[in-house]
Amino acid sequence: AQSVAQPEDQVNVAEGNPLTVKCTYSVSGNPYLFWYVQYPNRGLQFLLKYITGDNLVKGSYGFEAEFNKSQTSFHLKKPSALVSDSALYFCAVRDSGKLSFGAGTTVTVRA
Amino acid sequence: DAGITQSPRHKVTETGTPVTLRCHQTENHRYMYWYRQDPGHGLRLIHYSYGVKDTDKGEVSDGYSVSRSKTEDFLLTLESATSSQTSVYFCAISESPSAGEETQYFGPGTRLLVL
Repeated sequence: AQSVAQPEDQVNVAEGNPLTVKCTYSVSGNPYLFWYVQYPNRGLQFLLKYITGDNLVKGSYGFEAEFNKSQTSFHLKKPSALVSDSALYFCAVRDSGKLSFGAGTTVTVRA
Repeated sequence: DAGITQSPRHKVTETGTPVTLRCHQTENHRYMYWYRQDPGHGLRLIHYSYGVKDTDKGEVSDGYSVSRSKTEDFLLTLESATSSQTSVYFCAISESPSAGEETQYFGPGTRLLVL
């Protein structure tokens, strides 16, 4: 069974509008959740993670993510998107000692 | 890219030939990983290492082998390349996991085309 799901292949938003990238997970025990971003022809860059504590996690480049245990979700958010946020975003969860990645969501921010 | 280099960055090879990809780190991290990235699949773990000469299989290990003779180097070998191994390969590193807290940092990737 898939440990993490990103239900949207693509997200399109206008610059200045809020951006949300969805992620749901399925693991036993306490989840350790991560978001990464990949720009064209680059490796993955770490954005933020949730281990424990506050459900709202703040990360790099103005991104934040909200952990919701009842909905088993960890959605990535940015209040005001920039054209430079256009990239491929991956959610990941620690599962059986290893990271399991979602299929990725392509974000396009139009000027 | 967190002190991680991969070589080569691009490679074209023919079916049936052996191929070795190299990952080199300058962070002295204990754990190293090899992933492949394919459209619609995200990243899938091939093999990983938890120390010198200590390696284990990931979810897509068939057709691949690895070696780690030094802390800083982790090699991925395709014994006999097939077209299904055309992919982008990423190396990642992390410090020793503590109750699952490790964050993995990724190299720039190697684009491999098997003809």
